[in-house]
Amino acid sequence: GENVEQHPSTLSVQEGDSAVIKCTYSDSASNYFPWYKQELGKGPQLIIDIRSNVGEKKDQRIAVTLNKTAKHFSLHITETQPEDSAVYFCAASIRGDYKLSFGAGTTVTVRA
Amino acid sequence: GAVVSQHPSWVICKSGTSVKIECRSLDFQATTMFWYRQFPKQSLMLMATSNEGSKATYEQGVEKDKFLINHASLTLSTLTVTSAHPEDSSFYICSATVATGELFFGEGSRLTVL
Repeated sequence: GENVEQHPSTLSVQEGDSAVIKCTYSDSASNYFPWYKQELGKGPQLIIDIRSNVGEKKDQRIAVTLNKTAKHFSLHITETQPEDSAVYFCAASIRGDYKLSFGAGTTVTVRA
Repeated sequence: GAVVSQHPSWVICKSGTSVKIECRSLDFQATTMFWYRQFPKQSLMLMATSNEGSKATYEQGVEKDKFLINHASLTLSTLTVTSAHPEDSSFYICSATVATGELFFGEGSRLTVL
């Protein structure tokens, strides 16, 4: 099955700086890569996703890049704000299968 | 995004009792829903895939008689933890897919078994 590795496990950044989280996947058939933000005591919230036919996608301060050859994808958060503090999960799946394999999560802390 | 609602958000029960958690898709029909379990500071673990009108498909190691799943309509799936024990205490989260393939999660249900 698919194996998704996520790094780092924790990330502390100064407000206004950028945060980058990286994930690798093992199954070359995976073609859908969402990112979720989870706040304490809540369910994960989809913040951005990318499909294998594009290399980069951006939504305001959040961007995701995908390198299919190397089988890795990254989340970039620019101009971080305290409300960006949360646990972020990457995931991968084969579109049509809908079963997501999740990374272990990254706890992001934005220092004011 | 699509709205997935879970109820209850938290529940405390005595050991040996059964607990039912509901998952509803509020503004779309979901032929497939998923149930996850999450332990503190850990990632999400897929328990089972719930298919409307058919039996759920359970992941390896998940006891189907312990975790009963029913997906009776296109907007409702239920997870029943039978004869709950303290080790069943966890955060249970459901999710549903929309036609474009995105997966949206409910707010989660925290179960505490005394």
